Amino acid sequence: AQKVTQAQTEISVVEKEDVTLDCVYETRDTTYYLFWYKQPPSGELVFLIRRNSFDEQNEISGRYSWNFQKSTSSFNFTITASQVVDSAVYFCAGGAYKYIFGTGTRLKVLA
Amino acid sequence: GAGVSQSPSNKVTEKGKDVELRCDPISGHTALYWYRQRLGQGLEFLIYFQGNSAPDKSGLPSDRFSAERTGESVSTLTIQRTQQEDSAVYLCASSLSSADTQYFGPGTRLTVL
Repeated sequence: AQKVTQAQTEISVVEKEDVTLDCVYETRDTTYYLFWYKQPPSGELVFLIRRNSFDEQNEISGRYSWNFQKSTSSFNFTITASQVVDSAVYFCAGGAYKYIFGTGTRLKVLA
Repeated sequence: GAGVSQSPSNKVTEKGKDVELRCDPISGHTALYWYRQRLGQGLEFLIYFQGNSAPDKSGLPSDRFSAERTGESVSTLTIQRTQQEDSAVYLCASSLSSADTQYFGPGTRLTVL
């Protein structure tokens, strides 16, 4: 069975602070993909990143960075110098084709 | 190019009525998925179509739910005899193939009175 855990229900930070969103993906599969999606107040899910289970290289894209550690089943997402526009619910998901989504972390960035 | 589109954007219905939700995937995407998102919760997988293969219906919550897909294009999700617990946002996603990233539509918000 697969399981995605996002233990942080809600996080509030002040603008320009760094924030890390945690995700743990548990599976017996050796090949799988991991994802982060952003769901702003408008409701539409926006794809952020996809990683496969064989690639543990950290990835940086602008103010976003991701750290995947297979040994701990963690796929954490860091936003550097957060902005008010980053306020959204962030979902972590994992799987091969049938994604299991976490319950999401609501990020509030205060001006 | 155009993204995934869904219609209607909002649907209000009375308990016991049937509803049909429509999804137009990105052109060329062979895989199509339906998810349900209840208020304040994560996404719940419902059904998956890949080309001409038999769909994976393992996430459908009851036999009141069914979905069809015409070739590699439009899909409809039908809920018969709607119940109040069916109220949710129904999201459709498509991907180039089953191993590729899924891109989501804006969803249909279903309210059952």
